Formats: sequence, C-alpha cells, structure tokens
Amino acid sequence: QQQVKQSPQSLIVQKGGISIINCAYENTAFDYFPWYQQFPGKGPALLIAIRPDVSEKKEGRFTISFNKSAKQFSLHIMDSQPGDSATYFCAASPQGLFQGAQKLVFGQGTRLTINP
Amino acid sequence: GAGVSQTPSNKVTEKGKYVELRCDPISGHTALYWYRQSLGQGPEFLIYFQGTGAADDSGLPNDRFFAVRPEGSVSTLKIQRTERGDSAVYLCASSPELATEQFFGPGTRLTVL
Repeated sequence: QQQVKQSPQSLIVQKGGISIINCAYENTAFDYFPWYQQFPGKGPALLIAIRPDVSEKKEGRFTISFNKSAKQFSLHIMDSQPGDSATYFCAASPQGLFQGAQKLVFGQGTRLTINP
Repeated sequence: GAGVSQTPSNKVTEKGKYVELRCDPISGHTALYWYRQSLGQGPEFLIYFQGTGAADDSGLPNDRFFAVRPEGSVSTLKIQRTERGDSAVYLCASSPELATEQFFGPGTRLTVL
C-alpha cells in the first residue's frame, strides 16, 4: 500500500529558478515529514523536516510548505543551482513527541535537473 | 567524524545462494534501520532495531530475510535462497536515542544472477 505519493517523477529547472516538488499522504498518524536528497551511488541525506504544528519551515534556500487539512506537503528550492541536481524523496513517519525516530515511508522520488 | 558504513559496497551472487550484508552505525547510535531501494524507487523499510532487539520487523518481505544486532552496534542482514527479485540497494541508517534524524550509509548493491 503506497502511503506517500510524490510528483513529479522528473523536473527540469533553469539555474536561478524555483524547483517545487509535491507530496501527499494518507495516514493521519504521520506527524514527521522529512525531505531527503540523494546523489548517485550515495545514501539519502536529510535536507529539511517539518512537523504538522507549523505550516512552513525555511532553511536557507529550502522551504517546506505543509497543509494538514489537505494532507499535502511540498519542497521549494529557491535560486536553484546545478549542484542541486539530484533525486529528492519526501517521507513520513508516525512519531510521538518524546519518541525517537521510527520507520520512514518514502515517496517514489523526483529526479531534479538544474540546467546552467 | 565517521558516518554509517556498509560492506560490501557491491555483492554479486547466484540465485539460491546465501548472502550477508553488514552495517556499522555511527558510534553511540542506539537505533538502526534497514531499507531496500529498488531502481528508480524510494527506500522501503525492512526492519528497525532499538539496541539489540528488533523493535519493528514488519517490512521484512518473507522468512528468507533475517537481521541481527547481537551487541547493539553492528548489524547483519541475512538473505537465504536469494532470488533475482532480491536485487536492489540495501541501505542502513542509524539514529541517536530519542532523535528524529536518520543517517544513511552508502548502501550495498546486491545483484542476484
């Protein structure tokens, strides 16, 4: 059962543009939503994460927007650079406030290409 | 500092053989996770250890898959009677106690011929 749907599968953006990747989830028990970046031959690396008590979180050029009622969240990459070219995964996890990390459910991934 | 390491980086085996994949987590991390990533897909959860015990093994696809973490540090994923469908990248991640971020290793690419 696919619990996190990610779109688009691939995305091409010009240097300096805004890259937007979207995810939707079904399980209302999810309460931790990270985004991971993966380069070929490497493991995923955490970019930014959000909990549903806020609607937006920004770290540098990366912003997560979260819509709890719609069960959707998105990643925005401002001023996209060629070095941002990678595969991006959204994920979700059920997680209590005083518990550690639990299993992550990943989306299918978006291959992002930033053209110079 | 050292990150999560996985060995071997690549493993080629024949259908029906037994394989072991090893994960060395970041020192001091109490939680350890195994995921499987098929080509063009997101990682898929297999099993999660908190210390030496398996806290959640609901992702193991069948009884050919087994994982251990006997001393609460290094973990081994064991696959018996390998099938071609087992071919994938097997990722390991670790996390400090009560922390949220999972730190991933580079993975082991398993190819079953």
